[in-house]
Amino acid sequence: AQSVTQLGSHVSVSEGALVLLRCNYSSSVPPYLFWYVQYPNQGLQLLLKYTTGATLVKGINGFEAEFKKSETSFHLTKPSAHMSDAAEYFCAVSSDSNYQLIWGAGTKLIIKP
Amino acid sequence: DAMVIQNPRYQVTQFGKPVTLSCSQTLNHNVMYWYQQKSSQAPKLLFHYYDKDFNNEADTPDNFQSRRPNTSFCFLDIRSPGLGDAAMYLCATSRERGYYEQYFGPGTRLTVT
Repeated sequence: AQSVTQLGSHVSVSEGALVLLRCNYSSSVPPYLFWYVQYPNQGLQLLLKYTTGATLVKGINGFEAEFKKSETSFHLTKPSAHMSDAAEYFCAVSSDSNYQLIWGAGTKLIIKP
Repeated sequence: DAMVIQNPRYQVTQFGKPVTLSCSQTLNHNVMYWYQQKSSQAPKLLFHYYDKDFNNEADTPDNFQSRRPNTSFCFLDIRSPGLGDAAMYLCATSRERGYYEQYFGPGTRLTVT
């Protein structure tokens, strides 16, 4: 069975500071990993995904994530936070044997001015 | 722009009064999903269509039904809404199952009075 753990239901950073949102997964088969962002009263938007190949994945809005198999992690980072980054972020995993997205509980990112 | 459209964005219904939410897509994707999302929680998959093949999640209540009359449209019917069904309902599509990302609509917020 696959699972996803996001550390921290809320993360608060100052504008201009590094953003680090943690995601650890459990999967017995090669995983496909996704980060989605959700703004209030909106649907989810894909930030980036890892399927195969390069382990450092660049996404939209300056975000990137690194797949570390040895650590079963897929942490999301952004060098400099902007007020517009305030949103909820979800990490998710799927695989060829389990098409369904398994979601983390989400992390609400708060940006302090 | 190709997209996923949900109507209405906000729906108010009475306890026990049937309600239908609609979703359409211009992406020509094979797979369409319906999720329920309650406040500050991850989306919960209710069911999905792979082309015309309907796939119900084991824990989706019988109160929830779905129809996909053609590739572009999918409907969520709630036969007898209860107060616990108040939530955001998200429609999503993907080209295929597996590692393909899901594209989400803006959601319909359902209120049950």
